[in-house]
Amino acid sequence: DSGVTQTPKHLITATGQRVTLRCSPRSGDLSVYWYQQSLDQGLQFLIQYYNGEERAKGNILERFSAQQFPDLHSELNLSSLELGDSALYFCASSVGTGSTGNTIYFGEGSWLTVV
Amino acid sequence: AQSVTQPDIHITVSEGASLELRCNYSYGATPYLFWYVQSPGQGLQLLLKYFSGDTLVQGIKGFEAEFKRSQSSFNLRKPSVHWSDAAEYFCAVGSSGGSYIPTFGRGTSLIVHP
Repeated sequence: DSGVTQTPKHLITATGQRVTLRCSPRSGDLSVYWYQQSLDQGLQFLIQYYNGEERAKGNILERFSAQQFPDLHSELNLSSLELGDSALYFCASSVGTGSTGNTIYFGEGSWLTVV
Repeated sequence: AQSVTQPDIHITVSEGASLELRCNYSYGATPYLFWYVQSPGQGLQLLLKYFSGDTLVQGIKGFEAEFKRSQSSFNLRKPSVHWSDAAEYFCAVGSSGGSYIPTFGRGTSLIVHP
């Protein structure tokens, strides 16, 4: 158990809908990262937040957004869902922003199926 | 931009045999390198990491990896594989300045025969 908690574990929804994935980082971690894992794209970095502020942005679509709340939990919002958005979405956390020695711990992921 | 290549999509070994999973990275400065393992239905677990210092890195579960700058490689090794090692293995590279975001390879699926 990494200490990173993601909910829901599984989600099935229809095209055009909107979903929210939730992540609680490890106790004491200030950074939260979101990754998408799909068969065709592999593991892709989406976005990072550090202590409530956006820190880095990767291949995140405009239909997707995220935020980190004062209690440090994070939510990833996916809207206007398409079949191709079906994937495993990982949340990860680390103590700092990326200084030497920073280990990133991953949650077990949220499986999203768009039908 | 940094990138990682894992040339082998699948590797099959017999239980008790030695293992080497290949990883080549592309990055101009000194990289941060990682190996993660993903068991079916599980998240990614860090096996080991290299930031600086000794180029031979020891990790959990009996794994080790060696950073070879001249070859831009960070291969993962284990002297004797157990059936429970069957999983997906991911190599990742991060940048050396400021905020780092690991870029992952496509993964190598390890199959262990009894």
